[in-house]
Amino acid sequence: SQTIHQWPATLVQPVGSPLSLECTVEGTSNPNLYWYRQAAGRGLQLLFYSVGIGQISSEVPQNLSASRPQDRQFILSSKKLLLSDSGFYLCAWSPGTGNSGANVLTFGAGSRLTVL
Amino acid sequence: GESVGLHLPTLSVQEGDNSIINCAYSNSASDYFIWYKQESGKGPQFIIDIRSNMDKRQGQRVTVLLNKTVKHLSLQIAATQPGDSAVYFCAENIDNYGQNFVFGPGTRLSVLP
Repeated sequence: SQTIHQWPATLVQPVGSPLSLECTVEGTSNPNLYWYRQAAGRGLQLLFYSVGIGQISSEVPQNLSASRPQDRQFILSSKKLLLSDSGFYLCAWSPGTGNSGANVLTFGAGSRLTVL
Repeated sequence: GESVGLHLPTLSVQEGDNSIINCAYSNSASDYFIWYKQESGKGPQFIIDIRSNMDKRQGQRVTVLLNKTVKHLSLQIAATQPGDSAVYFCAENIDNYGQNFVFGPGTRLSVLP
């Protein structure tokens, strides 16, 4: 069966420090990968998605970047965090192109980032 | 834990009663819908899905109804239990592209003893 892991679960960082959140998926190949942010009282905002290694699409211009160095690894980064980067970050995956099944989005457990 | 949805609409139901959570979706071209459950500090969990060629689908204690005419989706939970307390939100998808998922704001379900 497929599993998704993201870490760290909780992170407290000072303004101006770098960020790296990591996500890995097991039990599938060539998944679509996503980073979402969820602010308190709001819905899920898609930040980045990737359909393959090295292929990143950005949905929202911001202080963050994403990379996909391996098929099942997705990393969310920032060089200098802002206060407004605080939030709950969720990694997700869905079956890749060519899969005839339902396009279910499966989420990780989330990473809570507090920027002080 | 993370406090998700501080200002979300809240539905309070008595333990053992049935719950109905509603969602209005935005795009008449959406052809796939999912209900998710999110407990505090955790990632959303898949509950049930439905394609646009259906108007009802049943799972274990849950039923999803789809009314395409008015672009409305509902989640019914039978015999609500304390463990059902969470934020529930719907997601609509177009053309089987994951980046086209649009999520509703969510409803907080509170189960009263």
